[in-house]
Amino acid sequence: KQEVTQIPAALSVPEGENLVLNCSFTDSAIYNLQWFRQDPGKGLTSLLLIQSSQREQTSGRLNASLDKSSGRSTLYIAASQPGDSATYLCAAPDNTPLVFGKGTRLSVIA
Amino acid sequence: DTGVSQDPRHKITKRGQNVTFRCDPISEHNRLYWYRQTLGQGPEFLTYFQNEAQLEKSRLLSDRFSAERPKGSFSTLEIQRTEQGDSAMYLCASNPYERSGANVLTFGAGSRLTVL
Repeated sequence: KQEVTQIPAALSVPEGENLVLNCSFTDSAIYNLQWFRQDPGKGLTSLLLIQSSQREQTSGRLNASLDKSSGRSTLYIAASQPGDSATYLCAAPDNTPLVFGKGTRLSVIA
Repeated sequence: DTGVSQDPRHKITKRGQNVTFRCDPISEHNRLYWYRQTLGQGPEFLTYFQNEAQLEKSRLLSDRFSAERPKGSFSTLEIQRTEQGDSAMYLCASNPYERSGANVLTFGAGSRLTVL
């Protein structure tokens, strides 16, 4: 059974810093991994999907990497902005349905 | 197409009442998922459909919960005899089935249930 863990649970940084969010998963036989953003009281927005054949994906200031052998993924956010404040969730499949971590709550202070 | 739509956005009910949530997925997506999320937790999988077939149900889906997708388009999630522990955000998501694994999951805004 897939289990997903995210560290840290919460993070507060000043504006402009680069930061790394960590995700680990127990079952490395995955075909993809997704990172999502969630604003308070809202649904989830997909940020990046990394297929198992890829090692990383980039979208603007976001870069996600995937290391299946070690069961780890990281989300790198460059030059953080107050608008990046949200909860970031990592999800890996357990066969078909995605299993989510508890998320990292990010606060970027202006 | 405006994405995944959920209705209602908020529902307040008394314990013991039945509630029903509706989800309209992105039209070309053949897979539809239901998740439940409580405060401070990640979403937890409940069930999913491929077209009209319900392919998997979580053990979280007790016999008070039932989900349908009768024509392979919209889906409903009904909770009978609601309990206070059912209070949560119910999230619907959809994606196309892609063998390549490039099947980005798109979520709706969620339906928040409060059981008094």
